[in-house]
Amino acid sequence: DQQVKQNSPSLSVQEGRISILNCDYTNSMFDYFLWYKKYPAEGPTFLISISSIKDKNEDGRFTVFLNKSAKHLSLHIVPSQPGDSAVYFCAASGLFGNEKLTFGTGTRLTIIP
Amino acid sequence: EAGVAQSPRYKIIEKRQSVAFWCNPISGHATLYWYQQILGQGPKLLIQFQNNGVVDDSQLPKDRFSAERLKGVDSTLKIQPAKLEDSAVYLCASSLGATGNTEAFFGQGTRLTVV
Repeated sequence: DQQVKQNSPSLSVQEGRISILNCDYTNSMFDYFLWYKKYPAEGPTFLISISSIKDKNEDGRFTVFLNKSAKHLSLHIVPSQPGDSAVYFCAASGLFGNEKLTFGTGTRLTIIP
Repeated sequence: EAGVAQSPRYKIIEKRQSVAFWCNPISGHATLYWYQQILGQGPKLLIQFQNNGVVDDSQLPKDRFSAERLKGVDSTLKIQPAKLEDSAVYLCASSLGATGNTEAFFGQGTRLTVV
């Protein structure tokens, strides 16, 4: 049972344009959501998070939007840069982040120069 | 600040052999996790420690996998005997474990190939 789903295995975006990565979840007990970025041969690195009491969190070029009623979140990267090419994982947890993280299957983002 | 250290980086073993992985978390991090990432999938939690106690090991195949975190710092994950389907990257992560602070920091992982 995949509780966190990233339905797009890959995405290609022109440099300078907006990248939008999507994530859906099924467990209504999730209340804390995170995005991780992973380069080849490295472990995932934390990018940005959002708690269920918010619908938007912004950090520089990265913004995460949460739609609780739709059980959907998205990561926006503006403007996209070549260094953003990586695999992006969406993750979720409950009890304000004090429970285990459940990861999606990842989306491979390729930024085209 | 030093990150999460894992060793070895790569390991190739034959099925039915045993293998062990080591992890040193970020200093001061109370929570330590072991994840298994099979190719094409997201990381799956195997076991979570809070200091030296187990918080969650519901997805750990206990007939062949074991983990310990002596003294609440370093941790080892062992597989005995290994099966072909254990081929994966094993990721160790740590976090402060404080309320509302769950950002986990990952090591580079150990890529295990079982042949």
